[in-house]
Amino acid sequence: AQSVTQPDIHITVSEGASLELRCNYSYGATPYLFWYVQSPGQGLQLLLKYFSGDTLVQGIKGFEAEFKRSQSSFNLRKPSVHWSDAAEYFCAVGALVGNEKLTFGTGTRLTIIP
Amino acid sequence: DGGITQSPKYLFRKEGQNVTLSCEQNLNHDAMYWYRQDPGQGLRLIYYSQIVNDFQKGDIAEGYSVSREKKESFPLTVTSAQKNPTAFYLCASSIGDRVSGDGYTFGSGTRLTVV
Repeated sequence: AQSVTQPDIHITVSEGASLELRCNYSYGATPYLFWYVQSPGQGLQLLLKYFSGDTLVQGIKGFEAEFKRSQSSFNLRKPSVHWSDAAEYFCAVGALVGNEKLTFGTGTRLTIIP
Repeated sequence: DGGITQSPKYLFRKEGQNVTLSCEQNLNHDAMYWYRQDPGQGLRLIYYSQIVNDFQKGDIAEGYSVSREKKESFPLTVTSAQKNPTAFYLCASSIGDRVSGDGYTFGSGTRLTVV
């Protein structure tokens, strides 16, 4: 069965600093990988996705993520965070074959300090 | 614009009362999902439906019921058997019953509070 781990429950970053949110997955082959963002009291919005091709993928709002097969990771990065990036971030993994549903991590809450 | 509409945004339930959360989508998606979100616990799957008139239990189905009479609609009823229903509820949909590169599309959620 597939699984995903987000090791950091809460991260605090200064505005303008760089950001990296960690995501590790468990799956027997190359999976679909997603990052979602959730603002308080809102639904989840897709930031970016990966399933093949270039291992560095670009998303909305200046985010990018890199797929590293050898480390089973799909970490989310942003070179310079803005106060509006404060939110909760979810990594998700899905199978390319079969009808397993998306599996979500438990989320990382990002706080931005001035 | 296509999307998922959840209503109401806020809902208050008295002890022993059943309440129904609405979820409507105009994306022509086949599959729909209900998740419960509690602080620090991520998203937990309640029920999902991959086709009209069919649905399956997720990880925490006890105390909840659903129906899927139309492709566009997947209402969730929180029954009096659900002892701790206060939570944020999210509805989602996907193109088919298999994960695709489009992932899931989410509604904006309903916050249910027991009073």
